[in-house]
Amino acid sequence: DAGITQSPRHKVTETGTPVTLRCHQTENHRYMYWYRQDPGHGLRLIHYSYGVKDTDKGEVSDGYSVSRSKTEDFLLTLESATSSQTSVYFCAISESGQGYNEQFFGPGTRLTVL
Amino acid sequence: AQSVTQLDSQVPVFEEAPVELRCNYSSSVSVYLFWYVQYPNQGLQLLLKYLSGSTLVESINGFEAEFNKSQTSFHLRKPSVHISDTAEYFCAVSVSWGSNYKLTFGKGTLLTVNP
Repeated sequence: DAGITQSPRHKVTETGTPVTLRCHQTENHRYMYWYRQDPGHGLRLIHYSYGVKDTDKGEVSDGYSVSRSKTEDFLLTLESATSSQTSVYFCAISESGQGYNEQFFGPGTRLTVL
Repeated sequence: AQSVTQLDSQVPVFEEAPVELRCNYSSSVSVYLFWYVQYPNQGLQLLLKYLSGSTLVESINGFEAEFNKSQTSFHLRKPSVHISDTAEYFCAVSVSWGSNYKLTFGKGTLLTVNP
């Protein structure tokens, strides 16, 4: 299994509070991604990173920010959590941004916003 | 816009029966196609992928998928399923996104194998 960990694995928070989710990899892959998974929607890309301090938006980036200060860590921040951000969040990594590259997924973080 | 349609949200089958999980994509350009599997309370794992060449691709655990360009399909099949195949299966296509690529996923098909 690819060395990807996510923390926390479960979190319950209240509307309006800030939340940070962490993704850590030991594979030294250049690309890292954050997805959210919701019933009936599959997985949707929030943000991705193509190197240290290099990030870009995905298709559902509103309300989220990211940071990558080290190759191995990619943080996802909800500045002010809303109930619509209740979801399961997955981090993924890949060697490059080429279309033929496989993405490896972490175990996920289940976030509940009350 | 590129999209992926998984035609069945749930597929219940009995053990040792054959199964087909259907996936259609929309694209007018070359595509890279993937099937991922998600077991309960886990992340996604790559099952198989089509990049080029032979249109029939196989996984190590008996699944196969056939790329059909004329029908824009990439259906997943297994001739005899096991209880352990119970999982959610996602079809995905890699599409250009700025100067990179991103995966666009279907909504998933929950395969339930009953004894």
